[in-house]
Amino acid sequence: SQELEQSPQSLIVQEGKNLTINCTSSKTLYGLYWYKQKYGEGLIFLMMLQKGGEEKSHEKITAKLDEKKQQSSLHITASQPSHAGIYLCGADPSGGYNKLIFGAGTRLAVHP
Amino acid sequence: DAMVIQNPRYQVTQFGKPVTLSCSQTLNHNVMYWYQQKSSQAPKLLFHYYDKDFNNEADTPDNFQSRRPNTSFCFLDIRSPGLGDAAMYLCATSRDSGSYNEQFFGPGTRLTVL
Repeated sequence: SQELEQSPQSLIVQEGKNLTINCTSSKTLYGLYWYKQKYGEGLIFLMMLQKGGEEKSHEKITAKLDEKKQQSSLHITASQPSHAGIYLCGADPSGGYNKLIFGAGTRLAVHP
Repeated sequence: DAMVIQNPRYQVTQFGKPVTLSCSQTLNHNVMYWYQQKSSQAPKLLFHYYDKDFNNEADTPDNFQSRRPNTSFCFLDIRSPGLGDAAMYLCATSRDSGSYNEQFFGPGTRLTVL
């Protein structure tokens, strides 16, 4: 079965610093989703990547799916306290049935 | 605003006492999902409905059941909650079931079992 491993598990940065979160899959990815979860709340959709080499940006967050389609990175530029939360990557191993599996998440704290 | 709503946000039940969690959506999406997320773990899919068709994950315990009486509502029933069922339960919807259909999540219901 496919597994998603996220690194690091947790991250503490100073406000204004850049950071990168990685998501590595045990199998080829057919669509990679990034979600953000505030503590004790639901998941907020950030971005979806479909093609190897694809890169998307939203505000100060950029996500990329590597050419071999087994790893994705999420990069935050000039981090702010509002970026704090848990970042989860998700993928669909079901061959098109949209049944997502998730990584365990990366907990991000941003200190002023 | 169109959204996914879960009630209640917090539910406390006693060991063995049946409990029902509710999810409703105003997105008119075909697919509704239930995930279980235990503390510091990844969300895990329990089952989903495509319209009225129920799809159970192979490793979902029989203790968990679901109902979807109409497009807008979906319920998660836990027949005899155990201490290990304490978790956040997340409802999600998507327009269709194929790949690349974004899933929209509700705020979750945190279940405590005493």
